[in-house]
Amino acid sequence: GAGVSQSPSNKVTEKGKDVELRCDPISGHTALYWYRQRLGQGLEFLIYFQGNSAPDKSGLPSDRFSAERTGESVSTLTIQRTQQEDSAVYLCASSLDRGAYGYTFGSGTRLTVV
Amino acid sequence: AQSVTQLGSHVSVSEGALVLLRCNYSSSVPPYLFWYVQYPNQGLQLLLKYTSAATLVKGINGFEAEFKKSETSFHLTKPSAHMSDAAEYFCAVSGYSGNTPLVFGKGTRLSVIA
Repeated sequence: GAGVSQSPSNKVTEKGKDVELRCDPISGHTALYWYRQRLGQGLEFLIYFQGNSAPDKSGLPSDRFSAERTGESVSTLTIQRTQQEDSAVYLCASSLDRGAYGYTFGSGTRLTVV
Repeated sequence: AQSVTQLGSHVSVSEGALVLLRCNYSSSVPPYLFWYVQYPNQGLQLLLKYTSAATLVKGINGFEAEFKKSETSFHLTKPSAHMSDAAEYFCAVSGYSGNTPLVFGKGTRLSVIA
């Protein structure tokens, strides 16, 4: 597609429920990144994919968080047993190769855990 | 490892005045440096990037930044602020060749007063 597409744009869920966030990167972009942005904070790195492998998943906060990517296409970030501290905007970005020339970001998914 | 420090979480300038947003980085390897802008309820948009070519980098919307190795700085400037420049600005660093995911600063919110 023309840009990075994320869905849903907004998600409200009850504490303890599982959620899935989707990212559709720009066609041909081999690298894909997930970041979390809490209110008033900077971007916190979660995980990075090169193709469908994840060379760096060091930012995942706990084993409740997982992500997968199909080929060089769609990625899904799953949060199990959501907690209130998971409330944030989850941003996805993609880039050519390793992104030496910058990333293209999606508009994000705003997750609210109530 | 890389890190970024943005001095000032909030900067306020008058319309037509100089904009100066400060960014200092730490990197164990030659860095790639980026400035992104985030408008309300939107994803991040690349303003400009330094990738070891010219030290003075010009970006979109009249912004520019100068890489100063001796000061480990990459400050963002614009000679004359416009109301439409009001947004959140993020500085980011990556290792040489972009082999590591971008590390972002906490952001600086720019307000422009009429």
